[in-house]
Amino acid sequence: GEDVEQSLFLSVREGDSSVINCTYTDSSSTYLYWYKQEPGAGLQLLTYIFSNMDMKQDQRLTVLLNKKDKHLSLRIADTQTGDSAIYFCAESSMFSGGYNKLIFGAGTRLAVHP
Amino acid sequence: GAVVSQHPSWVICKSGTSVKIECRSLDFQATTMFWYRQFPKQSLMLMATSNEGSKATYEQGVEKDKFLINHASLTLSTLTVTSAHPEDSSFYICSASRGIGTEAFFGQGTRLTVV
Repeated sequence: GEDVEQSLFLSVREGDSSVINCTYTDSSSTYLYWYKQEPGAGLQLLTYIFSNMDMKQDQRLTVLLNKKDKHLSLRIADTQTGDSAIYFCAESSMFSGGYNKLIFGAGTRLAVHP
Repeated sequence: GAVVSQHPSWVICKSGTSVKIECRSLDFQATTMFWYRQFPKQSLMLMATSNEGSKATYEQGVEKDKFLINHASLTLSTLTVTSAHPEDSSFYICSASRGIGTEAFFGQGTRLTVV
């Protein structure tokens, strides 16, 4: 079945860039997403990338997709303390049940320190 | 933007009782709603998909008689945990979408503790 994997923890200094990595197994993935979850809260969609793209930039966020290696990354420039949260990678495809049926990774906890 | 609200945000119940969690789309009509369960430090696991007016489709391993899902209107879906036990304690999150191929918006989640 489909699987999405992420490293569990990342610690960065305030002002530095953060890079969160994700690998997936479903070669039919159509959309790949990054969600942010703050403590006790639901998920907030940060950005997504369509599988025929290899990069997408949105203000401080840059998403890179290597479809050949099934590798997705999220780069946060000038990381701030407010960026501390859990970041989930997710994928969907028509073949996994529909574009909005998401398969999630376990989440990467980002800790930003002064 | 599209807002999805869950109620309650947290609930504590006694073992053996039933608990109902509501998921409402506040400013759009949600043809499809999804219910996820999140264990501590783990990913979200899809429990079931519900389409308005029809029976929910449950993922493998999810007991449909224990987790009752009702999607009676285009703005409301409910998840009822029946005869709750401590192992049902978890964070339950819903998402709602206008339909296939459209973005799913997440609620803020409900933390259930069964004592």
